[in-house]
Amino acid sequence: DTAVSQTPKYLVTQMGNDKSIKCEQNLGHDTMYWYKQDSKKFLKIMFSYNNKELIINETVPNRFSPKSPDKAHLNLHINSLELGDSAVYFCASSQQGAAGELFFGEGSRLTVL
Amino acid sequence: GNSVTQMEGPVTLSEEAFLTINCTYTATGYPSLFWYVQYPGEGLQLLLKATKADDKGSNKGFEATYRKETTSFHLEKGSVQVSDSAVYFCALSDPSTGANSKLTFGKGITLSVRP
Repeated sequence: DTAVSQTPKYLVTQMGNDKSIKCEQNLGHDTMYWYKQDSKKFLKIMFSYNNKELIINETVPNRFSPKSPDKAHLNLHINSLELGDSAVYFCASSQQGAAGELFFGEGSRLTVL
Repeated sequence: GNSVTQMEGPVTLSEEAFLTINCTYTATGYPSLFWYVQYPGEGLQLLLKATKADDKGSNKGFEATYRKETTSFHLEKGSVQVSDSAVYFCALSDPSTGANSKLTFGKGITLSVRP
């Protein structure tokens, strides 16, 4: 039973398209995150939500819009995709008060052509 | 701001060799320190952690000691196995920032272990 699940695992699309990545966690955690991992494996936080409220927004372009319908879900919608958006996007969750102990999903590899 | 510096990689070792992966940090507060591991095709998993100076985190034969005087958290294992081949990330979080706390990762280092 997967703790943090993301869909889709792979996404190939054209520049200018709009796409979404979904994330769900069944751990009962209060906080969820989106991280971006580039081709050199460097990880950078994009967003953090705590109980459906946006807590961290790390200078991500407005084309990226997270949505948290409830505390178990955090989806990422990307408008007008650009080549530089190609990366692996990881969803993660943690219990409030244990911010460093993240549980990650398996990642969603986005390729923009 | 907070930052984490890891030694340059990749690292290639023979099975049963001794492993050290260096990690140093810069932080304004009193951070907690972590090592995460990413196996091929998977997400990151927490390997071990230490929350205060002189704490030693350990798991699966890996160890790291929180050294405040040298601002370091080096990862060690006495005898690596082929199954340890993965990317290793050092990270810190500053718990004093409460709900805004986030993990700051190092660049990661790829370890390959030969049979």
